[in-house]
Amino acid sequence: DGGITQSPKYLFRKEGQNVTLSCEQNLNHDAMYWYRQDPGQGLRLIYYSQIVNDFQKGDIAEGYSVSREKKESFPLTVTSAQKNPTAFYLCASSIGGIDTGELFFGEGSRLTVL
Amino acid sequence: AQSVSQHNHHVILSEAASLELGCNYSYGGTVNLFWYVQYPGQHLQLLLKYFSGDPLVKGIKGFEAEFIKSKFSFNLRKPSVQWSDTAEYFCAVRGSNTGKLIFGQGTTLQVKP
Repeated sequence: DGGITQSPKYLFRKEGQNVTLSCEQNLNHDAMYWYRQDPGQGLRLIYYSQIVNDFQKGDIAEGYSVSREKKESFPLTVTSAQKNPTAFYLCASSIGGIDTGELFFGEGSRLTVL
Repeated sequence: AQSVSQHNHHVILSEAASLELGCNYSYGGTVNLFWYVQYPGQHLQLLLKYFSGDPLVKGIKGFEAEFIKSKFSFNLRKPSVQWSDTAEYFCAVRGSNTGKLIFGQGTTLQVKP
């Protein structure tokens, strides 16, 4: 079945540690996205990539980093510089292009910083 | 800059009641508009979308939305809700030249049986 796989589903981290969230898709989509979901704030865009080896900052990129070395993979690193990293992180993909279609979402990764 | 505002944060309805969730956006150019739904314990899924053409769009499960360009609005409606419609609903907007999909804050709908 085609889809988006995020791992791990739950992750605990100590303050000061970097952590990388995995996102893999087998939909052959060009565009991939990372959102952060917090109660009452909806989904906020962290980074997005419309093509391999290229990505752009979203609205809340500070303290995060990404890479897009392969079409199917778009890992997100939450660095120690992110001041409030505890959140639910969602990865998504779409066909790509300027007027892309709908986004397809993974099941999310819940990060808790202890 | 793009922005999206959902006016209702928490809505409680009885079964068979009619539903309308408000969504307004800010963007000066052509937009693509979406409503997504997140049922408890499930991932986000598309409810309906508007790209062009008829401003009244129909989605899954009896939902519809109307794009009113002059009001920068894309309100979601359903004539008669069911208990299974209990979920969180998100409006989203993409400016046609940006590639960025921006979401509203979400509306939690609770339908009482």
